[in-house]
Amino acid sequence: DTAVSQTPKYLVTQMGNDKSIKCEQNLGHDTMYWYKQDSKKFLKIMFSYNNKELIINETVPNRFSPKSPDKAHLNLHINSLELGDSAVYFCASKTQGAETQYFGPGTRLLVL
Amino acid sequence: AQSVTQLDSHVSVSEGTPVLLRCNYSSSYSPSLFWYVQHPNKGLQLLLKYTSAATLVKGINGFEAEFKKSETSFHLTKPSAHMSDAAEYFCVVSDRQDSSYKLIFGSGTRLLVRP
Repeated sequence: DTAVSQTPKYLVTQMGNDKSIKCEQNLGHDTMYWYKQDSKKFLKIMFSYNNKELIINETVPNRFSPKSPDKAHLNLHINSLELGDSAVYFCASKTQGAETQYFGPGTRLLVL
Repeated sequence: AQSVTQLDSHVSVSEGTPVLLRCNYSSSYSPSLFWYVQHPNKGLQLLLKYTSAATLVKGINGFEAEFKKSETSFHLTKPSAHMSDAAEYFCVVSDRQDSSYKLIFGSGTRLLVRP
């Protein structure tokens, strides 16, 4: 009965690889987000989708491509992984018009 | 532009003593403010939120925060710290400039609780 779930929980990969992180929410929300938390715990928004439409793209490199197949899912594909991509990636969701966001458990990505 | 500043990167208290985590905000209009907690290797959990109703907001686990417009502050308090409160705490403002309501996070305060 997890509200916002992410897979995988941990991801260790080599530089240059391509990987995907998946997010699903069962709260009936229509807006979803990806945030990145760096090694100093600083959190910053990357993307937001509303009803499968991209509404925020915070100057994230083109190697990052979000995809929203439906309102309940927001996936993040990363091409040509770099060392600096190592971080914790959080998915969040909310209802359109509301301000409170609910976060997933995070995906810890380590690029070697 | 909206922003929040957490004044302390680390706060250390003894178990059973009060907790005060400080946060100041900057906003060109009436803000919505949140406190989130992150326990080690865990996700982010909402503690409480202020959305222009009562200025004293009560949250989970005995935490509360008071919105003070004159001081542009939203400090988080708890009367008596418990060992399980040890975590990273984030003060957050919601950016209402567009319909996205993206969250803008402070830099975090690590709370250490000594036995």
